Amino acid sequence: LAKTTQPISMDSYEGQEVNITCSHNNIATNDYITWYQQFPSQGPRFIIQGYKTKVTNEVASLFIPADRKSSTLSLPRVSLSDTAVYYCLVGDVYNQGGKLIFGQGTELSVKP
Amino acid sequence: NAGVTQTPKFQVLKTGQSMTLQCAQDMNHNSMYWYRQDPGMGLRLIYYSASEGTTDKGEVPNGYNVSRLNKREFSLRLESAAPSQTSVYFCAGSGTVGSNQPQHFGDGTRLSIL
Repeated sequence: LAKTTQPISMDSYEGQEVNITCSHNNIATNDYITWYQQFPSQGPRFIIQGYKTKVTNEVASLFIPADRKSSTLSLPRVSLSDTAVYYCLVGDVYNQGGKLIFGQGTELSVKP
Repeated sequence: NAGVTQTPKFQVLKTGQSMTLQCAQDMNHNSMYWYRQDPGMGLRLIYYSASEGTTDKGEVPNGYNVSRLNKREFSLRLESAAPSQTSVYFCAGSGTVGSNQPQHFGDGTRLSIL
């Protein structure tokens, strides 16, 4: 299972775009990149998943360069309610399902 | 609301007591998981069940047992609780191993062992 490295914490202000980068140098061919969000006293919630290039949904965008050794979660125009911990996970979701490693995550603090 | 339901939400035990944490899902998930989360840390997988009738160890299985009672229910048992097992426990479900469906989590059981 690929190990990931992401910043421990980040600060931002309302209305700004936030980019959280995750490093995964030993990503394997069958691995996907998945991001989860966790609010205090709640379980993690799926945000976005991708394999290569760019993926966008109503919540975020995920940018993955050609070598796939890193990925960037982009949150457009954050609000106070985006304050949470964000986890980057890398793994073979097709063959390993839930056997994914949650690291320490990035604690995002959005200020007014 | 549909989703993953964990009971109880809070529990305090004495060292040596036994306890079963319950998890039920109504999302037709084939796979289910149990994690623990300690303060300031990510989630660590305790056990998982790829499908009804099967269970496998995760990263930190020692001191725990699980039962996949049916497709909907997956329970976690502490036979002899220890203070080191004080944690927040999360249950999750997802589609069949072999799909890329994300996991859906419950809101956790906060367990304190004195």
